Amino acid sequence: DTGVSQNPRHKITKRGQNVTFRCDPISEHNRLYWYRQTLGQGPEFLTYFQNEAQLEKSRLLSDRFSAERPKGSFSTLEIQRTEQGDSAMYLCASSTSRVGWDGYTFGSGTRLTVV
Amino acid sequence: LAKTTQPISMDSYEGQEVNITCSHNNIATNDYITWYQQFPSQGPRFIIQGYKTKVTNEVASLFIPADRKSSTLSLPRVSLSDTAVYYCLVGGYQKVTFGTGTKLQVIP
Repeated sequence: DTGVSQNPRHKITKRGQNVTFRCDPISEHNRLYWYRQTLGQGPEFLTYFQNEAQLEKSRLLSDRFSAERPKGSFSTLEIQRTEQGDSAMYLCASSTSRVGWDGYTFGSGTRLTVV
Repeated sequence: LAKTTQPISMDSYEGQEVNITCSHNNIATNDYITWYQQFPSQGPRFIIQGYKTKVTNEVASLFIPADRKSSTLSLPRVSLSDTAVYYCLVGGYQKVTFGTGTKLQVIP
């Protein structure tokens, strides 16, 4: 297992276009999280899944954002009708939910630039 | 979720020990304390985690007093490659909230 994988690493899109990012978590991790990070700020929580169930969504996740995790494996985050304010690093992390939780493992992120 | 407070930035010379303290006054009974390191354009990387007392691994030590309202990350003999942002997180596997972190600059 090579850790949490995110694709693409970079995405440049025109305002108004739709974009989709993919995250492949560590295989034995049943929890998957999406965070967004803008320059100079800490990551902000967006949503998380346990297996295929989306358990919580932040108010930051507007109607233009949707996340899925079919079959409890990889996850996708889609942004529709992108706006310049969506420009950020989108981070995915995974963890277990067993007792003695040992933290998140983050991917390298997808850098989105909306022009 | 427990809120954390850390210094915004710190400078240290190479080879010195660096201690970064985080306060988390409203930590819950079930919360763990976890520290992450982040380099530019990379995702945060797990450094160390603890619940109480002292934890040590190959890269850092974490000191947690009995009341658990604060914690101190200790980095022994820092090098230039330790220049990064360090985040103190309090929570568990449901979700955690990141603060703005501490930007550590190691000076030659």
